[in-house]
Parts: sequence; C-alpha cells; structure tokens
Amino acid sequence: GAVVSQHPSRVICKSGTSVKIECRSLDFQATTMFWYRQFPKQSLMLMATSNEGSKATYEQGVEKDKFLINHASLTLSTLTVTSAHPEDSSFYICSARRGALTEAFFGQGTRLTVV
Amino acid sequence: AQSVTQLGSHVSVSEGALVLLRCNYSSSVPPYLFWYVQYPNQGLQLLLKYTTGATLVKGINGFEAEFKKSETSFHLTKPSAHMSDAAEYFCAVSDPPGGGADGLTFGKGTHLIIQP
Repeated sequence: GAVVSQHPSRVICKSGTSVKIECRSLDFQATTMFWYRQFPKQSLMLMATSNEGSKATYEQGVEKDKFLINHASLTLSTLTVTSAHPEDSSFYICSARRGALTEAFFGQGTRLTVV
Repeated sequence: AQSVTQLGSHVSVSEGALVLLRCNYSSSVPPYLFWYVQYPNQGLQLLLKYTTGATLVKGINGFEAEFKKSETSFHLTKPSAHMSDAAEYFCAVSDPPGGGADGLTFGKGTHLIIQP
C-alpha cells in the first residue's frame, strides 16, 4: 500500500511556542489530506480537510488561527500548532488520499506534549 | 450527520477463541464502512472496508466483517484470536464520493485483550 510519513513522531515544546508537524505522501500524490486529533484512550476526531492549493476546511469547534494547515504541494501538508498550551497536548494523525474514490492512508502519528 | 457506536470499550477473549467486535452506525446515505487497528503510539492500519458489492468483506490477518443494512451494523470477527491481535480497533464510516462529508467519522474504539 501507499506510505504516509509524519514527522516528528514525538515533540515536547514549551507553552507559548509553536510547533510544526509534517505529513508526507512518499509514493503517491495526495490531492486531499486530513488531520485528526486523538486524546488518550479516545477516538480520533477530524480537525480539518485540506486540498492541495486551497484553504483547509475546518471542523466545527476547531480554531483555524490556532491550528494552521498548509497543503502547498501534492506530497506535503503541515499542521502548525501556534502558541501551544498544555491542553493542546495530544496525538495528531494525518491521512492522505489520491482522489475522492480512493482509500486514505494514515501516518504513524505525532505525540505532542506541551509543558 | 453520521455516527458510529462501538459496543464495549474493552473486549477480552482467550487465545484461540472467536473475536467479535461490534459496530453500529447511523448515516443519511448508504455509507462506506471501515475497520482500523491501532497499536500503541502508532497510526492506523486498515483491516478491511466495505464500499459496494459483496456484504461479507475479508481483510488482513484473518479478520472479516459483514455489512447488514437492516441492522445498520458492521461487526468485525476473527475465528481464532492470536496474541498479536491485542490492540485498539476502530470502526469508521464515511459518505460515498459526492455524498457530502469527506473525512472519516470514528467510533470510540474497542480495546481487544487476548488472554493466554
């Protein structure tokens, strides 16, 4: 199957700083990428959907100014958590797909800890 | 709006026994249905999916699931559990292409415990 890589796998940052998480499709061009958030022992919640070259669509309740998503190329999407706070600590997972009729492949996730 | 209900946050079975993880959904249109497995601190791996066609779907690692429209269910089964099956399992639903919502809606997950 296709490979989606997230970097970093773990990051610890100080409160008030910004953190960037990368999601790359290694062997296919991803027209659409999704960002999910997973709290401990809970399910994944869709945060936003990004299509290459256009602005991301955020789910209700997700602050677009806090979680900046950029999908500048067909193989890379980034999620920047701005002015991070301890409550932003979570597991962030991206997924990517070639087109509307295809399966989305998941990255391995990024564990963010804000101290 | 879509929703997914997974009955039982924890399921414990003996090694070699039948595994049954339950999933019910609600959707305004006939959905696509998925089962994913997640190991600790890792992403999700697709076990199987139903889009159209045959309602009994076979996946990886000996798992299978049956789409029952009348029961709005998509339960996951495996005839004989193996220790390596211990993990978190998520059922998910999405609208078909053109059906509206894009990303997946996940259930809360079921933690599968395999007892030796």
